[in-house]
Amino acid sequence: DGGITQSPKYLFRKEGQNVTLSCEQNLNHDAMYWYRQDPGQGLRLIYYSQIVNDFQKGDIAEGYSVSREKKESFPLTVTSAQKNPTAFYLCASSATGTGNYGYTFGSGTRLTVV
Amino acid sequence: AQSVTQLDSQVPVFEEAPVELRCNYSSSVSVYLFWYVQYPNQGLQLLLKYLSGSTLVESINGFEAEFNKSQTSFHLRKPSVHISDTAEYFCAVSDPGGGNKLTFGTGTQLKVEL
Repeated sequence: DGGITQSPKYLFRKEGQNVTLSCEQNLNHDAMYWYRQDPGQGLRLIYYSQIVNDFQKGDIAEGYSVSREKKESFPLTVTSAQKNPTAFYLCASSATGTGNYGYTFGSGTRLTVV
Repeated sequence: AQSVTQLDSQVPVFEEAPVELRCNYSSSVSVYLFWYVQYPNQGLQLLLKYLSGSTLVESINGFEAEFNKSQTSFHLRKPSVHISDTAEYFCAVSDPGGGNKLTFGTGTQLKVEL
């Protein structure tokens, strides 16, 4: 079945460490997105990519980095510069072109700083 | 720029009662509109969408939403809710000519009680 896979489901980070969240899709979607979810704040866009080897900052990109070396993969690195990284992170993908049929989401990674 | 307002952060309702979750958007152009549902510790799932045509759209599990251009609204309704409908619901909007980026509301927690 086609879908989008995020791993790990739970991740613990020590202060000052970088961590990388994985996102893989087999839907042949060109576009991929990373969102951060905090209680009462909805979803905030971190980074997005509409084509391989290209990506753009979203609304809250500071302290995060991404790469898009393959169409199927869009990993997110939470760097030590991100002061409050504890949150639920969601990856999504979508087709591009005329019409917008919405996103397909992964099941999320919950990151906790210990 | 587009924005989405979900007026209620929480909506408690008794089982088998009707419910309406409100969503208003602001945009200077025509829009696509979406409702997503999120169960605890999971990603978002597409519930229904309005792209064009009939202003009343329905989901397979009994929800419906009506696009009202004059009131810039896309309220979600269900005539009789079940315990299993307890979840968080997100309204989202995109610009058909502006790429595939979705702007999400802050979410409404629907809690169905016996």
